[in-house]
Amino acid sequence: DTEVTQTPKHLVMGMTNKKSLKCEQHMGHRAMYWYKQKAKKPPELMFVYSYEKLSINESVPSRFSPECPNSSLLNLHLHALQPEDSALYLCASAASWGSSYNEQFFGPGTRLTVL
Amino acid sequence: AQKITQTQPGMFVQEKEAVTLDCTYDTSDPSYGLFWYKQPSSGEMIFLIYQGSYDQQNATEGRYSLNFQKARKSANLVISASQLGDSAMYFCAMRGTNTNAGKSTFGDGTTLTVKP
Repeated sequence: DTEVTQTPKHLVMGMTNKKSLKCEQHMGHRAMYWYKQKAKKPPELMFVYSYEKLSINESVPSRFSPECPNSSLLNLHLHALQPEDSALYLCASAASWGSSYNEQFFGPGTRLTVL
Repeated sequence: AQKITQTQPGMFVQEKEAVTLDCTYDTSDPSYGLFWYKQPSSGEMIFLIYQGSYDQQNATEGRYSLNFQKARKSANLVISASQLGDSAMYFCAMRGTNTNAGKSTFGDGTTLTVKP
């Protein structure tokens, strides 16, 4: 199984809502990532988890809260978002985070709209 | 720091012809990996091909090949026999070691349109 799954595919939320994005992989990968991507732009790294511990936080606002409950699952909790947070949120996994030769496998993404 | 430059915002190619997408990079890491991804309008990033900085031969994967010129710091993607389904955005990316461990740096992307 070389698949990364993400739910939901689409999400519309108000600025006062609390919601969560979910990502799952069963490839035994030990590194998992969250990216934010605006239309026609490259993905921007948000967080990296390695062996279920947060390794990289790219100065992301606290209204985004990541969680890695186990080696297969990655969540992104959203609270009090702004309209400018509307974007495609991509999850990815890799065999390890520090290696330069492991490709990342991406999920299909969640298209988030904040009203 | 590491940087990826893709200078072609958009490219057109006729179906069944070959096309080259340019990518140049800069890094201070002695060891690094270069990757190409395809992103159709559906949004999913699809891994295409990988080239390691110490690999002696250019990588190939089916219709995709990577023209790696280390001295010029370039890693161009060549797609042979283009198909309509190749129309998508293509990103060149790099992963380093040392100070850049764990981070992938992406170029701005090239939108490829295949004409029938």
